[in-house]
This record gives sequence, structure tokens and C-alpha cells, in this order.
Amino acid sequence: RKEVEQDPGPFNVPEGATVAFNCTYSNSASQSFFWYRQDCRKEPKLLMSVYSSGNEDGRFTAQLNRASQYISLLIRDSKLSDSATYLCVVNRDDKIIFGKGTRLHILP
Amino acid sequence: DVKVTQSSRYLVKRTGEKVFLECVQDMDHENMFWYRQDPGLGLRLIYFSYDVKMKEKGDIPEGYSVSREKKERFSLILESASTNQTSMYLCASSLVMSGGNNEQFFGPGTRLTVL
Repeated sequence: RKEVEQDPGPFNVPEGATVAFNCTYSNSASQSFFWYRQDCRKEPKLLMSVYSSGNEDGRFTAQLNRASQYISLLIRDSKLSDSATYLCVVNRDDKIIFGKGTRLHILP
Repeated sequence: DVKVTQSSRYLVKRTGEKVFLECVQDMDHENMFWYRQDPGLGLRLIYFSYDVKMKEKGDIPEGYSVSREKKERFSLILESASTNQTSMYLCASSLVMSGGNNEQFFGPGTRLTVL
């Protein structure tokens, strides 16, 4: 089993809709969690950290479920500019593990 | 504005050539990383460095070496390029290796084609 797994998608979602995707991790010793965003032909950039209590940044909400070992990302009122690949990142000790990403297409 | 720069955006080399990919960061970060990214395989860590002259193998170090002579510069070397090393190469740096503040800052990438 891979240490970090994501549904590759693509998720094709109409503009204005709400979309959510999950990322599962296999090692219960994982300590910190992040979502990165990667636009086509660009480098990944940090979107948000994921805290145990859950956190929100505008239209984006991230949640961590340690019992079931997954993190989630919810995007409300999706915009065309949200089209990107979303990478789940898990940190354990000094190891940083990237998921392969979930592709999101927002349709006009 | 924090910045990681890579020496080339696009590079075309021939099989057997020695290839140098350079990465420079201006954030005084201790940690630097080299990844390659391929369709369907995601980001894979080649090597990383947590200090000047220190290096650690990542998940796929075979066929690569690295050099970190100065804190701001981390070089990836392909001793004898092969076609299966055609890929997008991404350099990154971070302030810390673990914890909630270990954001990785990436360079724009070098798309290397080996003919």
C-alpha cells in the first residue's frame, strides 16, 4: 500500500459547485499534513496546512481525520481559476511524502 | 518575495552526456531537495541536503549525484544521461524538515529531454 494515496481524477465540476476530495495515509505516525496546488506546467505551491481542528481559508476548508487516517479538501463556490492538480503532502519525522495529486477541472 | 531559481527551463542533451542542473535559493534555507516529476508517478525525491556539504539519498538516487558547496546552491548531476532520465526536474527548499512550518518552496522546474 502506498504511504499517501489520492484519487487521480479528473474531477469535472461546474463553476459554482462545491467539490471535495480526500487523501489517505498509511502511517499512523504521520505528524503534519498539507495541501499543495500545482497549475499546469507550473511548480507546486502550498495551498494550506491541515490542522487537527480543521481549518478554513476563504472558500477552502481542510480537515484531518486521524482515526481513519485521511485528510480532505473542500472547495466551495468553485471558480474557473481553481482548475489545477491538488497534491496531498504528509510529513513523518524528516520525511516528506507527496501524493500523486488529484486533477480538478472547473467547467464554465 | 522568496525565490528558488533553476538554471534552465528547458534542456536537451544526448545520451551519455554529463548534465548539471543548478538551483539557487535566496531564503537562507538549510534544506534543499531535488525531485523529478513524471506523468502518473507524481513527485519522486532524488536527493536532499540539510546543510552545506551534506547530502542524503531520496527514493530514486540511482544515476544521479548532488553537490552542495554553498548554502544557497544545490546542484543535481547526471553523470551519464540516459533516455529514461527525460523528465521535469524540480528543486525545492525549506526552512525546517518537519513540523507544521516546513513549507517547501519550489523552483519553476527544468524540463530535460535526453535524446
